[in-house]
Amino acid sequence: GQNIDQPTEMTATEGAIVQINCTYQTSGFNGLFWYQQHAGEAPTFLSYNVLDGLEEKGRFSSFLSRSKGYSYLLLKELQMKDSASYLCAVRDGDYKLSFGAGTTVTVRA
Amino acid sequence: GAVVSQHPSWVICKSGTSVKIECRSLDFQATTMFWYRQFPKQSLMLMATSNEGSKATYEQGVEKDKFLINHASLTLSTLTVTSAHPEDSSFYICSARDGGDSQPQHFGDGTRLSIL
Repeated sequence: GQNIDQPTEMTATEGAIVQINCTYQTSGFNGLFWYQQHAGEAPTFLSYNVLDGLEEKGRFSSFLSRSKGYSYLLLKELQMKDSASYLCAVRDGDYKLSFGAGTTVTVRA
Repeated sequence: GAVVSQHPSWVICKSGTSVKIECRSLDFQATTMFWYRQFPKQSLMLMATSNEGSKATYEQGVEKDKFLINHASLTLSTLTVTSAHPEDSSFYICSARDGGDSQPQHFGDGTRLSIL
């Protein structure tokens, strides 16, 4: 099976920056996704990386290094509404998505 | 764009009941839809891939006779949990792609199933 690791929890202050790391080992690779999931809700798409480098989208950026099997999601200017679980998901050679267990980010005032 | 609607959002029923969950792509056609299950504080686990006009592909360990999937049109896939038991209680989420394999999956709002 696929192996996707990310920290369980992170806490940060409003206005700060938080970086969520994700490492993966999969059979084949066809892209890495980051999703945001609020409690009791379905995941919403945040970002997609298939080539090495940084993708920036407003306050959120995602980085990928395929050779290292590593990605991070960077959240800037944290807001209270950013408190959620952030899921790293990797699409394998069969185009199936495998999800990490999620990182719960708590933003404090 | 790329809106996926899932219905119902919450189901509470007695053990032994069969429950049908619908997943619709509202503004695009989806030849492929996916069904996931998520237990509390755990990640999403792929149950099956639903293909329009053909049989679904189930992941290892998922009973195809218990979780019936029908994908009769390009905008609708249904998951029926047959003879549900308390251990089937979970958050069921569908997703669909707007386009080919390279496109991201967009998720429905999920269905919280509670079997008493």
